[in-house]
Amino acid sequence: AQKVTQAQTEISVVEKEDVTLDCVYETRDTTYYLFWYKQPPSGELVFLIRRNSFDEQNEISGRYSWNFQKSTSSFNFTITASQVVDSAVYFCALSLANDYKLSFGAGTTVTVRA
Amino acid sequence: GAVVSQHPSRVICKSGTSVKIECRSLDFQATTMFWYRQFPKQSLMLMATSNEGSKATYEQGVEKDKFLINHASLTLSTLTVTSAHPEDSSFYICSALKDGEKNIQYFGAGTRLSVL
Repeated sequence: AQKVTQAQTEISVVEKEDVTLDCVYETRDTTYYLFWYKQPPSGELVFLIRRNSFDEQNEISGRYSWNFQKSTSSFNFTITASQVVDSAVYFCALSLANDYKLSFGAGTTVTVRA
Repeated sequence: GAVVSQHPSRVICKSGTSVKIECRSLDFQATTMFWYRQFPKQSLMLMATSNEGSKATYEQGVEKDKFLINHASLTLSTLTVTSAHPEDSSFYICSALKDGEKNIQYFGAGTRLSVL
């Protein structure tokens, strides 16, 4: 069975600070996908990124960056120079290559104060 | 784009009535859709996998007669909560897999159900 752990329940920062969200996963499969989703107060889940297990390159998209390390089974997410609009719940998730179901972490609530 | 529309966004109903929630993929075809339930300050719990033209696959512990799923076309799946009771009050959210694109689920905005 797959398991995704987001140990940080809540993080509160002041605007312009950087914030890193931790995600640790467990799976016995060698081929899998990792995801990050953002859930703002409005409720919908916004897809942020998908990474496959064979691609360990870090990725940067604007103020967002992701650090995938298979050696530690981690897929961490950093928001640089945070803004109030970044306030949301962020979910890390995993799916296997042959099964589209997502295993979600518990989520991390990020609050960015002006 | 990959837009998923979910309707209604909020519904209040009396105990014993049935409520239908629609999930539509607006700009892509989706053979497979998913229905989730989310309790306050908790993660998403998968209820069922909805496949166009076939019966839905329910997760363990989810009553299929209580939560009826119909996926009659490549762009629409519906979830009907039958004989709703206060304990069914929750946030229900759907997602859709874009045909031809692996693994990325695109989510609707969710439906807040309150059963009085």
